[in-house]
Amino acid sequence: GESVGLHLPTLSVQEGDNSIINCAYSNSASDYFIWYKQESGKGPQFIIDIRSNMDKRQGQRVTVLLNKTVKHLSLQIAATQPGDSAVYFCAETGRRALTFGSGTRLQVQP
Amino acid sequence: ETGVTQSPTHLIKTRGQQVTLRCSSQSGHNTVSWYQQALGQGPQFIFQYYREEENGRGNFPPRFSGLQFPNYSSELNVNALELDDSALYLCASSITWGKNTEAFFGQGTRLTVV
Repeated sequence: GESVGLHLPTLSVQEGDNSIINCAYSNSASDYFIWYKQESGKGPQFIIDIRSNMDKRQGQRVTVLLNKTVKHLSLQIAATQPGDSAVYFCAETGRRALTFGSGTRLQVQP
Repeated sequence: ETGVTQSPTHLIKTRGQQVTLRCSSQSGHNTVSWYQQALGQGPQFIFQYYREEENGRGNFPPRFSGLQFPNYSSELNVNALELDDSALYLCASSITWGKNTEAFFGQGTRLTVV
C-alpha cells in the first residue's frame, strides 16, 4: 500500500457499531494476508490471517474478507469496543518479510 | 505479552553516531526479523536472521547491520546515523523462517536522531 505520511486515514465509530477497515494489496502471489492491531507504544499484535485460497475467515468478533480479483482485503469488527481503538495494518506475507500496508486509525466514540 | 523483549525502549542519538538495539526472541524461536516504522507509516522490513545467518534483506543501506547470537537473540546496528533514521524499530521472532503468520513482535525501540 502507499504511504500516507504522517496522516493516517481515520475511521471513527460509535461504541457498539460495526467497523469495516479496508486495505489494498499489490502482490497477487502472496500466500497469506494478516491483520495487525497496533496500540500506542506497542508493537503490532496479530488479529487474524487468511490464506490466499480463501475469501472469508471469521474469528472472535472479527471477520476478514479477501477479494483477489481487485486485490482488496477488509477487516470487520463486530460490536466495536473502546479497547478496539488502535491503528490497524494489513500485511502480505512473503517467505521472509511481511509487507505492511498503510494503516488506518480506528477511534471508538463512547 | 509476546515474550519478545527489546532494549532500550527509548534513546536519543546525535547525527553521525552509531547505535545498537537489542532483541530477545521468544523461547524456541530461531528466526528474528527487524523492521523500521516511521511515524504514521507501516513497518518496513530491514532484514532477517535465521540460525545466526542473515536470511534476507530489505531496501536498507549497508550501514544497517545485524547479528544473531547462539541463543537466537539479536542486535541491530546502525552506523553514521541520519535524521531520517528516527523511527520505531521493531523486532519479530518466529519459530523458524517462512512462518511469518506466527511472528510475534516486541514493543519496539523508539530512536530519535537529533
